[in-house]
Amino acid sequence: GENVEQHPSTLSVQEGDSAVIKCTYSDSASNYFPWYKQELGKRPQLIIDIRSNVGEKKDQRIAVTLNKTAKHFSLHITETQPEDSAVYFCAAPHGSSNTGKLIFGQGTTLQVKP
Amino acid sequence: DAGVTQSPTHLIKTRGQQVTLRCSPKSGHDTVSWYQQALGQGPQFIFQYYEEEERQRGNFPDRFSGHQFPNYSSELNVNALLLGDSALYLCASSLGDSSDTQYFGPGTRLTVL
Repeated sequence: GENVEQHPSTLSVQEGDSAVIKCTYSDSASNYFPWYKQELGKRPQLIIDIRSNVGEKKDQRIAVTLNKTAKHFSLHITETQPEDSAVYFCAAPHGSSNTGKLIFGQGTTLQVKP
Repeated sequence: DAGVTQSPTHLIKTRGQQVTLRCSPKSGHDTVSWYQQALGQGPQFIFQYYEEEERQRGNFPDRFSGHQFPNYSSELNVNALLLGDSALYLCASSLGDSSDTQYFGPGTRLTVL
């Protein structure tokens, strides 16, 4: 069945350092890969996404890379700030895009130490 | 531009009871997906509604049912509540032809005693 594995489960970095979170997926038909940030007690917030026709997408300090052959994608956060501390989730759709059924990873708790 | 809204914010029920949760999608969106998020875990897909019909369903029992209204708002109903149903219930809205790009509401925290 469909599965999304996310690593690491916790990540602690010093302010200003980079953070990288990696996800692997099992459904080769998946072609859309979003990342969500969830602060304590709040809703998951879509921060960046990538489609399979590109290998990398960047938005200011965050970027996502995709390797379709290896079936993994990663979130990169540069120059981390304390406000980046949150739980980050990756997701992939079951089957091709537009099915609407997103399968989420288990989450990564990122702590940025000032 | 109104975002995704959900009601109520919190709810406490006892085992065996029934509950109804409500969601209004983001302005311009016509598709609503429901997710269950247990403490410390990622959201799990329950089902998705589009054009007032259930379009996709996850691995949840028939005790979980839903409805979508002509104005695109949606309800999630859970019958015969179990302790294990305690969770944050999130709805996410999207546009039918791009239903993978989903925006979440604030959620309803359900506690079953």
